[in-house]
Amino acid sequence: SQQGEEDPQALSIQEGENATMNCSYKTSINNLQWYRQNSGRGLVHLILIRSNEREKHSGRLRVTLDTSKKSSSLLITASRAADTASYFCATDSGGSNYKLTFGKGTLLTVNP
Amino acid sequence: NAGVMQNPRHLVRRRGQEARLRCSPMKGHSHVYWYRQLPEEGLKFMVYLQKENIIDESGMPKERFSAEFPKEGPSILRIQQVVRGDSAAYFCASSPPGVVNEQYFGPGTRLTVT
Repeated sequence: SQQGEEDPQALSIQEGENATMNCSYKTSINNLQWYRQNSGRGLVHLILIRSNEREKHSGRLRVTLDTSKKSSSLLITASRAADTASYFCATDSGGSNYKLTFGKGTLLTVNP
Repeated sequence: NAGVMQNPRHLVRRRGQEARLRCSPMKGHSHVYWYRQLPEEGLKFMVYLQKENIIDESGMPKERFSAEFPKEGPSILRIQQVVRGDSAAYFCASSPPGVVNEQYFGPGTRLTVT
């Protein structure tokens, strides 16, 4: 199985609601990152959280990391239609910290 | 500062032909990475290059695939004798010196093999 596994696979919410996506991984990590990918486009880096950090904020984004459970969550508050995209977590571990391992992503649809 | 540039954005090849994908890293970035994304999947690491050096190609298929990052010019991912299973989106990323996990991705090249 993959290092990063997001759930749910798909999430549909109304504009203004909060969206929470989760990511689980199997081995110890150095860092965990979240990326957004709009349909048919490249990846946009959202936020990086280090293994010794527990929570990080950036604008409407809040990321938590629980290394004891090997899991992370991405919360998007007050969602907008423009937040509709696929969201991926990516981890790096060991000495090969350049080798990002991605999950299959969560497809978020925000309905206006 | 222009982002990572990839071309072409879309490439159609018949089975048996060669595909050449190009990537120009961000200005000042000396590390280049290639990833492949199959439909409905996450990205999979293929290769990590620095100028004139292949650092890690552990994710590259053993045959038909090669990559280079010459002293001058873009990085090239080359796929010889393409097969239908090579149809995917190929993403290039780059990072500044010394910060290898801070990767900035290009828009990708979508390869379709007919």
